[in-house]
Amino acid sequence: AQSVTQPDIHITVSEGASLELRCNYSYGATPYLFWYVQSPGQGLQLLLKYFSGDTLVQGIKGFEAEFKRSQSSFNLRKPSVHWSDAAEYFCAVARSGGYQKVTFGIGTKLQVIP
Amino acid sequence: DTEVTQTPKHLVMGMTNKKSLKCEQHMGHRAMYWYKQKAKKPPELMFVYSYEKLSINESVPSRFSPECPNSSLLNLHLHALQPEDSALYLCASSPGGYNEQFFGPGTRLTVL
Repeated sequence: AQSVTQPDIHITVSEGASLELRCNYSYGATPYLFWYVQSPGQGLQLLLKYFSGDTLVQGIKGFEAEFKRSQSSFNLRKPSVHWSDAAEYFCAVARSGGYQKVTFGIGTKLQVIP
Repeated sequence: DTEVTQTPKHLVMGMTNKKSLKCEQHMGHRAMYWYKQKAKKPPELMFVYSYEKLSINESVPSRFSPECPNSSLLNLHLHALQPEDSALYLCASSPGGYNEQFFGPGTRLTVL
């Protein structure tokens, strides 16, 4: 069975500081990995995804993530955080197929302080 | 059109009411999903429709009844809900295969 672990429930960073959100996955085959962001009371927006190829993927809003198979990790990074980045971040894993059963991590709440 | 729309945005219903949630996409996606999300929790998959056929039912109680009338529309019929069913209900769609799911803004449901 696939699973995702986000070890940090809550992270606080200063505006302008760098950010790294951790994600570890468990899946028997090559995973399909995603990072989604959710503002309060809103739907989820895809930041980036990894299916194959280059292990460093670029996403929207200046985010990037690196897939490390040896560590079963897919950490999300941003070099300089903006106040508008405050939100809930979900890492997710899926299997391929005509449709996808996506398993989400518990989420990391990001707080940005001035 | 590159978005998933959901109506209504908010819904308050009593335990004896019957109501429906609606989800629509015009991206030609062949898979559509219903998720339930409680506060401070990740989304939990409820149902998956693939090519208008129910492909996954995650052991959801029968008081939730999904319907996919056509490839663009997904409904969730609600009847005799319990207060613990209060949550944000999210709809998503995907082309299938290697592609991500596109989420709607959700319907905030409160059961009194």
